[in-house]
Parts: sequence; structure tokens; C-alpha cells
Amino acid sequence: AQSVTQLDSHVSVSEGTPVLLRCNYSSSYSPSLFWYVQHPNKGLQLLLKYTSAATLVKGINGFEAEFKKSETSFHLTKPSAHMSDAAEYFCVVSDRILTGGGNKLTFGTGTQLKVEL
Amino acid sequence: DAEITQSPRHKITETGRQVTLACHQTWNHNNMFWYRQDLGHGLRLIHYSYGVHDTNKGEVSDGYSVSRSNTEDLPLTLESAASSQTSVYFCASSEYRGSTDTQYFGPGTRLTVL
Repeated sequence: AQSVTQLDSHVSVSEGTPVLLRCNYSSSYSPSLFWYVQHPNKGLQLLLKYTSAATLVKGINGFEAEFKKSETSFHLTKPSAHMSDAAEYFCVVSDRILTGGGNKLTFGTGTQLKVEL
Repeated sequence: DAEITQSPRHKITETGRQVTLACHQTWNHNNMFWYRQDLGHGLRLIHYSYGVHDTNKGEVSDGYSVSRSNTEDLPLTLESAASSQTSVYFCASSEYRGSTDTQYFGPGTRLTVL
């Protein structure tokens, strides 16, 4: 069965310093992996996704993630944090087929990113 | 711009009442999904639909139902609300069924069952 573990429930960084949000996954197949961001009282927005092409994936707002099969990891990084990055981030794996076709998304429990001045 | 909307954004109801949460998308997507978000669980799939008159159960479907009479809407009904159904509910849609397909999410409905 597929699963996702986000290793930190809360991460705090200073503005201008690097961001690292850690994600490990378990999958029986070749997974697709996503990072979504959720700002307060907002829906989830796709940051980036890995679909078995390049292992280093670039997303919106300067975020990127590297797929490492040997480590079963898909960590999210950003070189320099901005105040507007404060939000909750979800790592998501997709590899199981639902009844009728289509992908099943399994969500991690989320990492709350705090950015301080 | 295409979008996905949910209403109401906040709802308080009493145990035993029937509640319907609306989801409307203008992406013209065939696939629509309902999730609930609870602390410590991430998002979990309740029901999904791949087209008009198609509905399928997700991993936490007990106590919920959906119907799909057109492409744009997938209302979620709680037949008899329970306190355990207090949660934030998200609707999503996607165009394709492949494992790489992106799901687009609505802003959520916060439901409180007293």
C-alpha cells in the first residue's frame, strides 16, 4: 500500500534563509509525487509534481523537489524563504488505481511552515 | 478563469440533521472528488465521480452520499450528521484519470456538528 510520511509537523525559518520540508514515501509501483500548499482558509494549490521524467522538479514561487528513489524521498526546498511562504504543505503520492480507473492520492499529514522576520 | 467553488464556506448543524455541501466547477472536468481534512490525517477520500451518473466510494464513505446529474456539480450529502463528521471538506476536480493528473481543489467548507 502506498503511504507518505512528512517528517516534521512544524518548521520555522527566518526570512531569507533556506527551506527544507521532508517527505518520504512508500509505493508498490512507480509513483507520481506532488507537493501542494494550503494558505490559511484557502484551498490546496499545486506547487509541483514528479511524473518519472527529470528527478529534479521545479515548481512555482521558487520551490523545487528532488525525487530520490534509493532513499524513497521527495523533499521540498527553496533557497530563500519569504514571508508569503508561511502556509501548510502537503506531500502527496499517487500510484493506486481507483475503481473505474484514475489515480488515488494519498496525503501526508502536512508540515506547517512558519517564516519569521 | 475556470474555478471550483464550494458553498457554504462555514456551516453549523445539529446531530441527526441532513446536510448538503455544494461543489461547482467551471473547468468542464469529468472527474470530481470529495475529501475531508482532519488533524493528523491529511486529506482522505470520501466519494468520487468520473462523469454524469457515475459515483464511487472512497476510503471514508460511511454516512455520506453523492449524486452527479451534470458535469459541473457534485453535491455531498450527510444523511444524518454526526459529531464525528465535524471536519473541513474539500472538493476537487481533474481532467484525466492517469496517475500524473493534477487535481484542482476548492476553498473548502468548514462543517461543525453539535
